[in-house]
Amino acid sequence: KNQVEQSPQSLIILEGKNCTLQCNYTVSPFSNLRWYKQDTGRGPVSLTIMTFSENTKSNGRYTATLDADTKQSSLHITASQLSDSASYICVVSHMDSNYQLIWGAGTKLIIKP
Amino acid sequence: DAGITQSPRHKVTETGTPVTLRCHQTENHRYMYWYRQDPGHGLRLIHYSYGVKDTDKGEVSDGYSVSRSKTEDFLLTLESATSSQTSVYFCAISVGGLAGGIYEQYFGPGTRLTVT
Repeated sequence: KNQVEQSPQSLIILEGKNCTLQCNYTVSPFSNLRWYKQDTGRGPVSLTIMTFSENTKSNGRYTATLDADTKQSSLHITASQLSDSASYICVVSHMDSNYQLIWGAGTKLIIKP
Repeated sequence: DAGITQSPRHKVTETGTPVTLRCHQTENHRYMYWYRQDPGHGLRLIHYSYGVKDTDKGEVSDGYSVSRSKTEDFLLTLESATSSQTSVYFCAISVGGLAGGIYEQYFGPGTRLTVT
């Protein structure tokens, strides 16, 4: 079954610290992997999209990595800010359909001052 | 929110009543989607549309119907709402043109539906 699992479910860190969120997937054949940020009460917003040939991609203080062999991805947040408090969702696209996505349940990140 | 609006933003309704949620986009994108989001679950696809009058089911389509009579509007209808349909509903569009033929999805602000 095509699945996306994320860990941890929730995480609390102090402002200014770094953190890393994990994503494991079983989707095959795999097309691309995305990380979304979802603020409370808002729709998800894309942070990065990586194809199977990409190992890392950055978007400001966010850096995503992908290991297509082990089917693992991580999202690293550097020098966290209060505005980083949100849910971070890993999403995988199946090769057979670029339009239908398989969503993880997300990691809820809380940044404390 | 990529020119996507949803209405209503909040709704409380009683079990057994019909409910219609509206998604409106301003940029004539071909693909539109309806998802639901529940605690502990990832977003789950209800229905999607690939053009006017062209729709297909997603993974959780039971109890839902959709219609798309105009490019800009995609309606989601709960024919007879049940408490299990209490959720946050998101509309999305696909935008192409990325490297590798990848389509990006952009989401509306969501509709919080409570069925009592």
